[in-house]
Amino acid sequence: DAGITQSPRHKVTETGTPVTLRCHQTENHRYMYWYRQDPGHGLRLIHYSYGVKDTDKGEVSDGYSVSRSKTEDFLLTLESATSSQTSVYFCAISPGITVPIYGYTFGSGTRLTVV
Amino acid sequence: AQSVTQLDSHVSVSEGTPVLLRCNYSSSYSPSLFWYVQHPNKGLQLLLKYTSAATLVKGINGFEAEFKKSETSFHLTKPSAHMSDAAEYFCVVSGLMEYGNKLVFGAGTILRVKS
Repeated sequence: DAGITQSPRHKVTETGTPVTLRCHQTENHRYMYWYRQDPGHGLRLIHYSYGVKDTDKGEVSDGYSVSRSKTEDFLLTLESATSSQTSVYFCAISPGITVPIYGYTFGSGTRLTVV
Repeated sequence: AQSVTQLDSHVSVSEGTPVLLRCNYSSSYSPSLFWYVQHPNKGLQLLLKYTSAATLVKGINGFEAEFKKSETSFHLTKPSAHMSDAAEYFCVVSGLMEYGNKLVFGAGTILRVKS
């Protein structure tokens, strides 16, 4: 999607290794979100950021940490990857107050496989 | 808390027949509701949204949805299915967090279109 990119697009990693996923935006939006998508569960919120250095937990935050040192970038880190973290990860951005009106802009997703 | 329930995990229709994807929501206040579509191995695309204006909402590709407060429903319909409609569809409600707004996703409905 225009204005938001995720990297890498695909990654295979081993159990117990650290993994960092990156979300980069060029829209200067205040809010950034990380979701995971799993069959039968839809998308579930992991963490979100409401400004530089301001982050909070979502519904499924265990095993994940995030950082936002500048407006453009929101990093998701799996400190020690487990097989249960095999999933498709989506980043999303929003100005914040417009979520109930316009929803989000989503990235293209990162497919992570933990073996 | 806000939540959505998609009543069917899979729906199968023949090309040219009507489509009905069912969604019920729960919200402690007047919600905004969305339908997103995800084609295989693709990202998420906004199909339509309800934001307290007209209760019958028209979206892209001939889809529409009706907000029924008395039934707490927001079902998605299309008069005539096309092969290109085969995808996963998510019903989504806006929700509140401690530091802003978020989207809460249903579990998804996979639509299969038979020729």
